[in-house]
Amino acid sequence: QKEVEQDPGPLSVPEGAIVSLNCTYSNSAFQYFMWYRQYSRKGPELLMYTYSSGNKEDGRFTAQVDKSSKYISLFIRDSQPSDSATYLCAMSYNQAGTALIFGKGTTLSVSS
Amino acid sequence: EAGVVQSPRYKIIEKKQPVAFWCNPISGHNTLYWYRQNLGQGPELLIRYENEEAVDDSQLPKDRFSAERLKGVDSTLKIQPAELGDSAVYLCASRGVGGNYEQYFGPGTRLTVT
Repeated sequence: QKEVEQDPGPLSVPEGAIVSLNCTYSNSAFQYFMWYRQYSRKGPELLMYTYSSGNKEDGRFTAQVDKSSKYISLFIRDSQPSDSATYLCAMSYNQAGTALIFGKGTTLSVSS
Repeated sequence: EAGVVQSPRYKIIEKKQPVAFWCNPISGHNTLYWYRQNLGQGPELLIRYENEEAVDDSQLPKDRFSAERLKGVDSTLKIQPAELGDSAVYLCASRGVGGNYEQYFGPGTRLTVT
């Protein structure tokens, strides 16, 4: 079993839909949780960052962390065709620069 | 501010040949990472540098992979000899000092071994 599990999809939705992306993890030592977006032929870019449990909102994006269930989510409201990309969840034990542990990514396609 | 620069962007080689990738991190970033991303997977760490010191290379296949970061700035990752299973995207990332936690990724080098 991998430390971080993520359904690879693909996920196809119409423009304007609410998208829910999820990851589960097995190691309770993870403290920092991130979502990266990766467009085709590009490197990942940080989208959302959350420490410990709770919610964080940034525009159309909301990240949720439930440490008791070892489950994290990313919600995208009013999805746009420009949101079409692969979304990678990532986790780390601390802020000391240790490596990120990534899920395999979920490929999202938003049609207009 | 320029982002993380990697070259080449694409490389096709035959198995058993050597190959090298180059990374120039964001200016002032003292932490540098090399990740490998296989098709349909998330990135996995190969090696992490703090300045010029390799502080985590536990996942680097040392029989064929080597890396260096001279003067704590640019870095080179080398594979010799390459195997078919090395086909992947090699990503370089860098991180600044202090409380800035974000790792900034370059566009990657896509390696195809035939």
